[in-house]
Amino acid sequence: SQTIHQWPATLVQPVGSPLSLECTVEGTSNPNLYWYRQAAGRGLQLLFYSVGIGQISSEVPQNLSASRPQDRQFILSSKKLLLSDSGFYLCAWRDTGGGEYGYTFGSGTWLTVV
Amino acid sequence: QKEVEQDPGPLSVPEGAIVSLNCTYSNSAFQYFMWYRQYSRKGPELLMYTYSSGNKEDGRFTAQVDKSSKYISLFIRDSQPSDSATYLCAMSMYSSASKIIFGSGTRLSIRP
Repeated sequence: SQTIHQWPATLVQPVGSPLSLECTVEGTSNPNLYWYRQAAGRGLQLLFYSVGIGQISSEVPQNLSASRPQDRQFILSSKKLLLSDSGFYLCAWRDTGGGEYGYTFGSGTWLTVV
Repeated sequence: QKEVEQDPGPLSVPEGAIVSLNCTYSNSAFQYFMWYRQYSRKGPELLMYTYSSGNKEDGRFTAQVDKSSKYISLFIRDSQPSDSATYLCAMSMYSSASKIIFGSGTRLSIRP
């Protein structure tokens, strides 16, 4: 069965510090991968998505970046965090085999920038 | 105008009541419709998945799609306190290649 792992679960970082969040998927090949951010009490904002290794599409211009160094690994990074980067970060994957499935989300990372 | 509109609530109902959650959308190309449930401080989990118009039932949950009105609903029968969560509607044009567009979520509270 497929599983998605996301870590860390919580993170408190000072303004200006770097960020690296990692997401890995098991039990599937060539998934579409997504990074979302959810501000407190608000909806999901798509940040990046990837349809393959090294292929990254950015939805929102900001100081975050994403990379996909391996088929089932997706990394969200920042060189210098801003206060506005605080939020709940979610990784998700989607089967590209044509099955009737939506996204499967990871457990999320709560990021607080102080 | 947002592509998907969803009343944020909060919605509070007594245990055992029938709950109706709704979304409207503007893009007539959407064909796949989903409902996600998100407990506090957790990732959303897929609850229901339907294709095109019609109804789909799974236990106490019924998803309804009316493409002519661009309106989707989720009904919860015999609501339980464990149903208290935020419910997000979502939709996409194709089964796997396209992005999924999410509503902002409705916060539901079931009172014991």
